[in-house]
Amino acid sequence: ETAVFQTPNYHVTQVGNEVSFNCKQTLGHDTMYWYKQDSKKLLKIMFSYNNKQLIVNETVPRRFSPQSSDKAHLNLRIKSVEPEDSAVYLCASSSRDWGSEQYFGPGTRLTVL
Amino acid sequence: SQLAEENLWALSVHEGESVTVNCSYKTSITALQWYRQKSGEGPAQLILIRSNEREKRNGRLRATLDTSSQSSSLSITATRCEDTAVYFCATDPGGNYKPTFGKGTSLVVHP
Repeated sequence: ETAVFQTPNYHVTQVGNEVSFNCKQTLGHDTMYWYKQDSKKLLKIMFSYNNKQLIVNETVPRRFSPQSSDKAHLNLRIKSVEPEDSAVYLCASSSRDWGSEQYFGPGTRLTVL
Repeated sequence: SQLAEENLWALSVHEGESVTVNCSYKTSITALQWYRQKSGEGPAQLILIRSNEREKRNGRLRATLDTSSQSSSLSITATRCEDTAVYFCATDPGGNYKPTFGKGTSLVVHP
């Protein structure tokens, strides 16, 4: 049962372009996350939001900017993409802090040419 | 910063066999979670084991936690082809919203 939705599934773009990814969760969770997963499957936390407030920004380049309109939505914008941004971007949510399960979306695969 | 990592990168077994994936971490934790990621999907939690627990089970899955050696294991009994996936352990010291995932262990279960 899908409860964390991500769009688009795939995106191919040129170096220097701007891209936006959307994430929505229907679980009523307070906390949402963005992760980057590289080609070796390594998962790294990028941002954490709790009740629309940014609480973790994990040394991510400035061209990445998360946006949260309400606690069910967390989008990710990348200004001027670079080749190293090619990866799968995974959105997740949890009901509170680490003591609870994270539910992940299917991911958005970004390819930068 | 804390690092959680699996000890082996790839495992291969035949259906019906048992397999164990190991994980070690370097700082104190409040809980450790095991996730499974199938191809084309996001990770899905299998087991959450808290620092005051030594063992947790979920069907054919059994997780152990040894806080003295800072290690955990996930055992799968009677493996099935659908268990083919990448398995991650993940930790977050003190619930600071910065989960750290291990490098992942790729498991292939052959018919």
